[in-house]
Amino acid sequence: AQTVTQSQPEMSVQEAETVTLSCTYDTSENNYYLFWYKQPPSRQMILVIRQEAYKQQNATENRFSVNFQKAAKSFSLKISDSQLGDTAMYFCAFTFRTGANNLFFGTGTRLTVIP
Amino acid sequence: EAGVAQSPRYKIIEKRQSVAFWCNPISGHATLYWYQQILGQGPKLLIQFQNNGVVDDSQLPKDRFSAERLKGVDSTLKIQPAKLEDSAVYLCASSLDFGSLEWNEQFFGPGTRLTVL
Repeated sequence: AQTVTQSQPEMSVQEAETVTLSCTYDTSENNYYLFWYKQPPSRQMILVIRQEAYKQQNATENRFSVNFQKAAKSFSLKISDSQLGDTAMYFCAFTFRTGANNLFFGTGTRLTVIP
Repeated sequence: EAGVAQSPRYKIIEKRQSVAFWCNPISGHATLYWYQQILGQGPKLLIQFQNNGVVDDSQLPKDRFSAERLKGVDSTLKIQPAKLEDSAVYLCASSLDFGSLEWNEQFFGPGTRLTVL
């Protein structure tokens, strides 16, 4: 069975500071993609960053970066220079590289950026 | 380009009533997904279409849920009869294709919040 675990239900960070959200996953497959999605109160799910499991280099997108540890099945998200607009639910997810590519999501972390 | 459209945004019904949700994917997207997101949980796939064929409906409670995607474009998801535990946000997403070696991003709609009383 495919599972995604986010052990931090809620987190907060001061504006302009850095915060790290944790995620672990379990799968017996070797080829997959990992993602972080952001869901603001408007409910629109927005892709933040993705990582191909076959690439060792950690993905980065502007202020967002990941720490991907394949052997440990860990995939954390670091947000630098936090902004008020980063306040949202953050979901870790993965999908397989081949076959039906539905997403398996974690339970989410609610991040609040404090002014 | 226009995003994934869903309607209605909110729906309140009583248990045992019927309800239908509509989704219009991004133009040209062959794959369409319906996810159920219960409060406090991550989205869970209900059904996935490739054009107008079903790819995966293993998590769809078929005794009460049904979905169709006529002509491979718009899709409707129906619940009949609704139960209290069906209260959730129903998200529709679309992507260009599935099963290829390169992942195609899923684009999500704003969702429909269903409350069953």
